[in-house]
Amino acid sequence: GQQLNQSPQSMFIQEGEDVSMNCTSSSIFNTWLWYKQEPGEGPVLLIALYKAGELTSNGRLTAQFGITRKDSFLNISASIPSDVGIYFCAGTNTGNQFYFGTGTSLTVIP
Amino acid sequence: GAVVSQHPSWVICKSGTSVKIECRSLDFQATTMFWYRQFPKQSLMLMATSNEGSKATYEQGVEKDKFLINHASLTLSTLTVTSAHPEDSSFYICSARLFSGGRTDTQYFGPGTRLTVL
Repeated sequence: GQQLNQSPQSMFIQEGEDVSMNCTSSSIFNTWLWYKQEPGEGPVLLIALYKAGELTSNGRLTAQFGITRKDSFLNISASIPSDVGIYFCAGTNTGNQFYFGTGTSLTVIP
Repeated sequence: GAVVSQHPSWVICKSGTSVKIECRSLDFQATTMFWYRQFPKQSLMLMATSNEGSKATYEQGVEKDKFLINHASLTLSTLTVTSAHPEDSSFYICSARLFSGGRTDTQYFGPGTRLTVL
């Protein structure tokens, strides 16, 4: 199935730094979702976006639904060690098919 | 929030045996559930889409006779790996679609099941 382009593939940052990652698609979506997955566990939903241009925050996390509906961004401010994990974006139109990004692996160095 | 459980979390079996994995939506009804397979350090690979009361839709390359999916109720879907072999060893994750009306469509994941076939 279709996979979304997610970048960067991996990040190594110092604790306290801000993080930015993005996800792009060749087709438009009505819904963008961001998940975090830790080793040996299922992905956990972080933020859901339902409207083009929408900016939504969840604690130190902020995500935006791109105006073109073909991209989305996730920012993490003041990173901490527990932010470590793999972050996935996902897009859907009908809810019967969800397309996932390739993932961004985040490592936070204390 | 919406919770999806998965059981068992880890299973080890001998080659040739069958393994059943259960996926339950605990606090919402899910007409659609999804089954994924994930290899180390890779993204999720959709195996099939399970709709309550009907046959599952399998992705290309996924053997439907090998991976039997049953979505018998609005809160339960099962994946049975039949005659498992070592190459079936993987991390299997289910998810459930939560549609709240309007445009609020979200997918919640279970914690995953680690299958090891000896």
